[in-house]
Amino acid sequence: GQNIDQPTEMTATEGAIVQINCTYQTSGFNGLFWYQQHAGEAPTFLSYNVLDGLEEKGRFSSFLSRSKGYSYLLLKELQMKDSASYLCAVRQTGANNLFFGTGTRLTVIP
Amino acid sequence: DAMVIQNPRYQVTQFGKPVTLSCSQTLNHNVMYWYQQKSSQAPKLLFHYYDKDFNNEADTPDNFQSRRPNTSFCFLDIRSPGLGDAAMYLCATSRDRGTHEQYFGPGTRLTVT
Repeated sequence: GQNIDQPTEMTATEGAIVQINCTYQTSGFNGLFWYQQHAGEAPTFLSYNVLDGLEEKGRFSSFLSRSKGYSYLLLKELQMKDSASYLCAVRQTGANNLFFGTGTRLTVIP
Repeated sequence: DAMVIQNPRYQVTQFGKPVTLSCSQTLNHNVMYWYQQKSSQAPKLLFHYYDKDFNNEADTPDNFQSRRPNTSFCFLDIRSPGLGDAAMYLCATSRDRGTHEQYFGPGTRLTVT
């Protein structure tokens, strides 16, 4: 089976940096994904890690440590529009589907 | 242009009255997924198609069925909706097996009265 843990809620200030952590347990790890989901909308893909290390894409970076079962999503220069839920998801070896965590609701305040 | 389209965006049905949700894609992707997402919860996979091969998750209730008549369309049929089936239903696609990115549609929010 799989288990994913993320903080339920976080608050950060506009212009600041925030790190959202995700820990997971799974058999046969084959990739970790971060999705952004605004209220009432569909998730949109942010990043993908399958090897250890940091992947950077503009203001967003994602880090993975497979040995620790740990990932984080780093958001820099926060904007008000970044207020959303951030979903961590894991894929198992040989599977097509993703197993999602419950998400972290980020609120950006002025 | 929308790539994964779901209709309707909002659906109201009565308890026990069958309902069908639809999804279409313009990406020509091989894999299509249906997820159920209840308020403040994670999306939960119900089933997926790899081409015409249907893959049901072990804990998906029998009340939920799916059809994929061609590459572009996939339907979710709920035979006898209960109050607990009220949720957002998300359709997603991916190009092929092993492809890491899933593209989600806007979802259909189902209300059961």
